[in-house]
Amino acid sequence: EAQVTQNPRYLITVTGKKLTVTCSQNMNHEYMSWYRQDPGLGLRQIYYSMNVEVTDKGDVPEGYKVSRKEKRNFPLILESPSPNQTSLYFCASTPWAGNTEAFFGQGTRLTVV
Amino acid sequence: QKEVEQNSGPLSVPEGAIASLNCTYSDRGSQSFFWYRQYSGKSPELIMSIYSNGDKEDGRFTAQLNKASQYVSLLIRDSQPSDSATYLCAVRTGGGNKLTFGTGTQLKVEL
Repeated sequence: EAQVTQNPRYLITVTGKKLTVTCSQNMNHEYMSWYRQDPGLGLRQIYYSMNVEVTDKGDVPEGYKVSRKEKRNFPLILESPSPNQTSLYFCASTPWAGNTEAFFGQGTRLTVV
Repeated sequence: QKEVEQNSGPLSVPEGAIASLNCTYSDRGSQSFFWYRQYSGKSPELIMSIYSNGDKEDGRFTAQLNKASQYVSLLIRDSQPSDSATYLCAVRTGGGNKLTFGTGTQLKVEL
């Protein structure tokens, strides 16, 4: 089954404690991205990757890091989480070519206290 | 001006009625347009995609695109309570693969 898998689904952590949210896709897609979703602000892109070892900032990259060492994996790293990073996070993947939609993971609800 | 704009709602319609959801976008070069449905706390799921001017129908859903007016809409016929969700308009902008989303319109279908 074609899917994008995120882990964990729910996470409560304390300010400053480094964390990683994993994302993996089994569709051999080149393009992957991370979004955060906040009430009234919609989905905003954090970082994206066009292929292995190629990443770039989206609209709200501050406080986040990513890596793309393998095509299927695109982890989101919060080196020193702060309460303003409390949000619902989605990973998405898209084939590079063509007018195709983005496939979303199940989401990760992160709370930073 | 936001890149993709939607009314936040809520839009309330009675069961069986037609729900009309609207979206405008600012990038004239945009080529691909998508409607996603999102239930609270869940991930967005694709409802419709449209790439050329005119209407595209799929079951109870019709997407309409007018590139000259930079306007895309979604009609839901015979609305059901299960259609109650937030509908996100997404536009592929900048010639790449980036999807820019509107803030979503909350639809409530009332019995």
